[in-house]
Amino acid sequence: QVQLVESGGGLVKPGGSLRLSCAASGFTFSDYYMSWIRQAPGKGLEWVSYISSSSSYTNYADSVRGRFTISRDNAKNSLYLQMNSLRAEDTALYYCAREYSSSSYFDYWGQGTLVTVSS
Amino acid sequence: SYVLSQPPSVSVAPGKTARISCGGNNIGSIRVHWYQQKPGQAPVLVVYGDSDRPSGIPERFSGSNSGNTATLTISGTQAMDEVDYYCQAWDNSTVLFGGGTKLTVL
Repeated sequence: QVQLVESGGGLVKPGGSLRLSCAASGFTFSDYYMSWIRQAPGKGLEWVSYISSSSSYTNYADSVRGRFTISRDNAKNSLYLQMNSLRAEDTALYYCAREYSSSSYFDYWGQGTLVTVSS
Repeated sequence: SYVLSQPPSVSVAPGKTARISCGGNNIGSIRVHWYQQKPGQAPVLVVYGDSDRPSGIPERFSGSNSGNTATLTISGTQAMDEVDYYCQAWDNSTVLFGGGTKLTVL
């Protein structure tokens, strides 16, 4: 069965960096676009970034562009999010999610990894 | 930029029909998807492509999309449906989510 397991979250000071990982299993990872989506405590869903199946295309929300970098390693069935210059407003539960097809819906989600940015 | 607007809350009596709206300029021209999120859990897709239902989702969940409003309809609402719902669409290679609606079953 499809599984997405995020890791790498934690407490970091403002201005710091963190790298999130998402381990995928149960499907051919290299066939799918993937996204990171976050949810601040008590708030709604906010899309962060996506990457195409071959890493040819990426895009970012304006709120993170220039600070976050999405990448993937299809040989390792893994998705990553490098987060630099972190701010308090980046505090959220970060989900990785599989896109059914390009520019469509998210059919599988991980359980999320919590990032807390605080001094 | 394009915005998806949802009411923060919707109330419905048990067994009745709940309708949750997702507004956007000419939203009927794009595909809208809906997610249900229970407390402490990841979102789950309940409607995709405006009106299709993934396997395992009860038939009481349905969707429509026309003009400036997409709608998630829950027929015969049950207490277990009292959670948060989000609409989602794409615009200019960017993923959009509505602000979310909390459904209250009175």
